[in-house]
Amino acid sequence: GQNIDQPTEMTATEGAIVQINCTYQTSGFNGLFWYQQHAGEAPTFLSYNVLDGLEEKGRFSSFLSRSKGYSYLLLKELQMKDSASYLCAVRDRLTGGGNKLTFGTGTQLKVEL
Amino acid sequence: KAGVTQTPRYLIKTRGQQVTLSCSPISGHRSVSWYQQTPGQGLQFLFEYFSETQRNKGNFPGRFSGRQFSNSRSEMNVSTLELGDSALYLCASSLQTTDTQYFGPGTRLTVL
Repeated sequence: GQNIDQPTEMTATEGAIVQINCTYQTSGFNGLFWYQQHAGEAPTFLSYNVLDGLEEKGRFSSFLSRSKGYSYLLLKELQMKDSASYLCAVRDRLTGGGNKLTFGTGTQLKVEL
Repeated sequence: KAGVTQTPRYLIKTRGQQVTLSCSPISGHRSVSWYQQTPGQGLQFLFEYFSETQRNKGNFPGRFSGRQFSNSRSEMNVSTLELGDSALYLCASSLQTTDTQYFGPGTRLTVL
């Protein structure tokens, strides 16, 4: 099975930088995703990591260390609209074939003035 | 290119009834996954379909079922509804099962 942990809530100031951590345990790691979900809306894809290192996309960056079972999402120059839940999801390669995506419970980020 | 669409967007049912939810994937996407989202449990995987075949199934009772059609559209059915089935049901599509999943707006099901 899988175990994915991320903080429940975080608060940050507009214009600042925030790092949201995610740790996981899995037997057949095959990629890690970050999604953003605003209240009442569907999750939207932010980033994908399958190899160790940093992936940068504008104000958003995601880092992965497979040996440590660890990822983080870095948000720079925070804006009020970044207030949302951030979901870490791990794709597991199944022994019988196929893949399964398991989500963490999400980190609720609140951006304040 | 149009995104994932789900119908209906909102649904109210009573205990014991059954419900069918529909999902149309992004054009060209052949894989469709379904998730249940509740405040307490987060996003829980229901099942995944690819080329009309169920590839994976989550830990949900047999009351939850689904299917995929030749045009990749998918439906999920919940029979004998219980109060605990009240949730947001999300559908996500991807090109292949190993690709990034893109979510639809969801169907908000309320069971009274």
